Amino acid sequence: DAMVIQNPRYQVTQFGKPVTLSCSQTLNHNVMYWYQQKSSQAPKLLFHYYDKDFNNEADTPDNFQSRRPNTSFCFLDIRSPGLGDAAMYLCATSSELSTNSPLHFGNGTRLTVT
Amino acid sequence: AQKITQTQPGMFVQEKEAVTLDCTYDTSDPSYGLFWYKQPSSGEMIFLIYQGSYDQQNATEGRYSLNFQKARKSANLVISASQLGDSAMYFCAMREKAGNTPLVFGKGTRLSVIA
Repeated sequence: DAMVIQNPRYQVTQFGKPVTLSCSQTLNHNVMYWYQQKSSQAPKLLFHYYDKDFNNEADTPDNFQSRRPNTSFCFLDIRSPGLGDAAMYLCATSSELSTNSPLHFGNGTRLTVT
Repeated sequence: AQKITQTQPGMFVQEKEAVTLDCTYDTSDPSYGLFWYKQPSSGEMIFLIYQGSYDQQNATEGRYSLNFQKARKSANLVISASQLGDSAMYFCAMREKAGNTPLVFGKGTRLSVIA
């Protein structure tokens, strides 16, 4: 089945130690997103790629970066994780940015910062 | 200003009964889409149903239906014949056309189905 796959499912990193989360898709969608979801909160968009065009949300900290080397893969890099960055990170895709394109999510990566 | 409002932090429903989860939204864009997602405790976000602002009919998908009242800016999710597996967080979300804006989520409603 076509899907969005996130690895790893659980990630533990140390305070200040760079960490990379990965996402791959077999849907061949143009758009890939990264959301951060803290406990008992709504998902918050960090950034998205439309093809190779990167779009950063205004309030996304500089500590968060992303790479999309090809259509299928997208990475989230946290350069110096703080305790406040512990969260579920959700990758999603959509075929277009149009209003009727639902987002398809991966299972998420739960990040713990020690 | 909050664009999506879900006023019910938690809801309980008896198995096999119907339940309505409330969602109101705020936009001045005439073209927008409304979505409902289910998030079980395992964490994945599952797309349930979509309603476009120009759609004349309320959307339905199996046991899920969307009660769309455009003048009131509400898009309530109705789940019929609740099952134990329906216990999860439910998020209402909206995407506006202007500026290719991203999907914005409400704070969610935690639904618990009781046997």
